[in-house]
Amino acid sequence: AQTVTQSQPEMSVQEAETVTLSCTYDTSENNYYLFWYKQPPSRQMILVIRQEAYKQQNATENRFSVNFQKAAKSFSLKISDSQLGDTAMYFCAFMKETSGSRLTFGEGTQLTVNP
Amino acid sequence: GAGVSQSPRYKVTKRGQDVTLRCDPISSHATLYWYQQALGQGPEFLTYFNYEAQPDKSGLPSDRFSAERPEGSISTLTIQRTEQRDSAMYRCASSLREASRGEQFFGPGTRLTVL
Repeated sequence: AQTVTQSQPEMSVQEAETVTLSCTYDTSENNYYLFWYKQPPSRQMILVIRQEAYKQQNATENRFSVNFQKAAKSFSLKISDSQLGDTAMYFCAFMKETSGSRLTFGEGTQLTVNP
Repeated sequence: GAGVSQSPRYKVTKRGQDVTLRCDPISSHATLYWYQQALGQGPEFLTYFNYEAQPDKSGLPSDRFSAERPEGSISTLTIQRTEQRDSAMYRCASSLREASRGEQFFGPGTRLTVL
């Protein structure tokens, strides 16, 4: 079974600064996907960024980027130029590359961006 | 539809009552997932459908929980004889097809409170 661990229950950052959220996972699979989802106070689940394990290049989406270290089974999220709207719960998630695979989520990190 | 919709958005019920939650996925999506999210935690997989087939229901916590998708589109999740521990957000997600590179789109969720 796969497990996902987020060791930072809460983090805060000043507006316009950079923050990194940590995530580690455990799996025996070689091919899989990793995700960061954002859950704002509205409690919607919004996909922030996705990484395929077979790709060595780290994914980037505007101000969001990841540091994917496959050997270390680490998948951190960096948010640059933090904005007040980034305040949310962030979940790291894992999915095997097989049909019908479920998402396995971490416990979440509550990020607060301060003005 | 334009996105995944769920109804009702909020449901309060008394212990011992049955409840049925509904999910209407994106119209072109073959695969539909149900997750349960307790307060302050990440979503946990319950079951999924590929069209009307239900290949995996291993996440359903007890035989009081059941789901169906008889025509391969709308799905319902039924909880019989509800208990207080069933209180949670129930999320539905859909994807274009199985193993579709992790593109699961989430609905707004149904918040269930069992008194």
